[in-house]
Amino acid sequence: AQSVTQLGSHVSVSEGALVLLRCNYSSSVPPYLFWYVQYPNQGLQLLLKYTTGATLVKGINGFEAEFKKSETSFHLTKPSAHMSDAAEYFCAVSDTGGFKTIFGAGTRLFVKA
Amino acid sequence: GAGVSQSPSNKVTEKGKDVELRCDPISGHTALYWYRQSLGQGLEFLIYFQGNSAPDKSGLPSDRFSAERTGGSVSTLTIQRTQQEDSAVYLCASSAQALAGGPGEQYFGPGTRLTVT
Repeated sequence: AQSVTQLGSHVSVSEGALVLLRCNYSSSVPPYLFWYVQYPNQGLQLLLKYTTGATLVKGINGFEAEFKKSETSFHLTKPSAHMSDAAEYFCAVSDTGGFKTIFGAGTRLFVKA
Repeated sequence: GAGVSQSPSNKVTEKGKDVELRCDPISGHTALYWYRQSLGQGLEFLIYFQGNSAPDKSGLPSDRFSAERTGGSVSTLTIQRTQQEDSAVYLCASSAQALAGGPGEQYFGPGTRLTVT
């Protein structure tokens, strides 16, 4: 069975600082991996996804994530945080055989001025 | 174009009553998903439909929950004999099949906030 663990339900960074949101997954088959973001009072939207190929994936708004099979990780990073990045971020996994998608519990990012 | 829509946006019901939640996916999307979002617990997978295949119901928490998708488009999630622990935001998403197979990007609706009193 697939599972996703997001380390840290809340992360706080200063504006301009590095953003690092951690995600570890468990999957018995090669996974598809996703990061979704939920801005306040808005619906979820896709930030980026890994399916096959290059393990470093670039997404919208300057975010990127690296698939590390040996560490079963898919951490999300952004070099310099903006106030507008304050939101809840969800890591998700699905297997290459189907559509069922398992989401992590989410990490709420706070950005301090 | 139109996104995923859900109705009602809010529903307050008494314990023991049945409720129906509706989802209109993006036209042409073959996959439709239902999730439950409870405070502090992320998104819980409930069920998905993909084309004409049998739905994956493995996430439904009890037999009080059921869902159908008519004509490959609109879906209804039904909760019978609601309980207070059913209170949550119910999210619907749809996706087209990615070219490489498997799930494409999921487009989420605004959700239905269900409160069981």
